[in-house]
Amino acid sequence: SYVLTQPPSVSVAPGKTARISCGGNNIGRKSVHWYQQKPGQAPVMVIHYNSDRPSVISERFSGSKSGNTATLTISRVEAGDEADYYCQVWDSVSDHWVFGGGTKLTVL
Amino acid sequence: EVQLVESGGGLVRPGGSLRLSCAASGFTFSSHSMNWVRQAPGKGLEWVSSISSSSSFIYYADSVKGRFTISRDDAENALYLQIYRLRVEDTAVYYCARADTSVNSAFDVWGQGTMVTVSS
Repeated sequence: SYVLTQPPSVSVAPGKTARISCGGNNIGRKSVHWYQQKPGQAPVMVIHYNSDRPSVISERFSGSKSGNTATLTISRVEAGDEADYYCQVWDSVSDHWVFGGGTKLTVL
Repeated sequence: EVQLVESGGGLVRPGGSLRLSCAASGFTFSSHSMNWVRQAPGKGLEWVSSISSSSSFIYYADSVKGRFTISRDDAENALYLQIYRLRVEDTAVYYCARADTSVNSAFDVWGQGTMVTVSS
């Protein structure tokens, strides 16, 4: 089955840039979506189709892909960005959705 | 306002059954594929099942296939998840989520979730 690998945690100081990776075999051929989940809340889509940002999401959030890795980048990190972040792809071989294990972003 | 509201969770004994519901409002429900995602306490997101518009395509995670049944009632703007033979490991918050277009599209709207606890 298809696997997405994320680092369990990323720490960043306020005002700096956070980068959260998501690795998967041939991920370059798949559309990657990213979700933010704050404690006790439902997930919120922050990036879809690799790099498209919904209009209600801050422009500080961006997505990219290179090789077998997708990356969620958060610029000028704020305390309110502290959350768990998940990447997601559709695996057309198994007709299954796959989520990464999630990355906890800590703002120092 | 686009909204999804789940209901039907609760405490159930192992081997029991439960039907979860998701009431949709604020958008044309029949035009969207819909999904169920669960999250065990302290764990990550796990996709459970998806159903396309018109129920043409239905998919299940391997961990629930044969025990869970997804369905929809477009006249009632409702999504359902029938769960049979519940196991302790099914304990989780269950979210319904809208796909922005087709069944393999991103989940652009989520409900607040309903808690299912399986315990003797």
